[in-house]
Amino acid sequence: LAKTTQPISMDSYEGQEVNITCSHNNIATNDYITWYQQFPSQGPRFIIQGYKTKVTNEVASLFIPADRKSSTLSLPRVSLSDTAVYYCLVGLSGGYQKVTFGIGTKLQVIP
Amino acid sequence: EAGVAQSPRYKIIEKRQSVAFWCNPISGHATLYWYQQILGQGPKLLIQFQNNGVVDDSQLPKDRFSAERLKGVDSTLKIQPAKLEDSAVYLCASNWGDRTTPNTGELFFGEGSRLTVL
Repeated sequence: LAKTTQPISMDSYEGQEVNITCSHNNIATNDYITWYQQFPSQGPRFIIQGYKTKVTNEVASLFIPADRKSSTLSLPRVSLSDTAVYYCLVGLSGGYQKVTFGIGTKLQVIP
Repeated sequence: EAGVAQSPRYKIIEKRQSVAFWCNPISGHATLYWYQQILGQGPKLLIQFQNNGVVDDSQLPKDRFSAERLKGVDSTLKIQPAKLEDSAVYLCASNWGDRTTPNTGELFFGEGSRLTVL
């Protein structure tokens, strides 16, 4: 399983764009990059998944450079409700694939 | 679509007592996971089922923890006897578990069962 490194915490003001970068130097060819969001007292929630280049959905964008050794989750114009822990996962999931979480990045949005 | 159901939401017990948690995954999901999340840490995988077979239980403390998934649907996680360090949230998750398309395996989590051991 590829090991991931991401900042432990980040602060941002409301309305700003937030970028959280995750390093995964030993990502395997078949691995996908997945981000989850977790609010207090809730289970993690899938945000976005990608393999290369850029993926965008209604919640976030995911930027993956050509070497795939890192990825950046971009949250546009954050609000107080985006205060949560964000986890970067690398690998496959489902079936016989293990899904392992790191410590995550605690994002605090400030009014 | 109903989500992953877990019960109880909260449980307080004394050390050396036993406790059981129940999980009902999303209908049709073949893969079921139990995670332990200690305050301030990320979820730690305890056991993973594919249908009613165990895929991985390498981090399950088998001297006190047990889990089963009869008929490949509901699952129970039991702790006996409980220790103070078992205080945590126990999260259940499921996904389709389609081996032909593992990259699309978004995990769906329940709200968790918070255990406090006194």
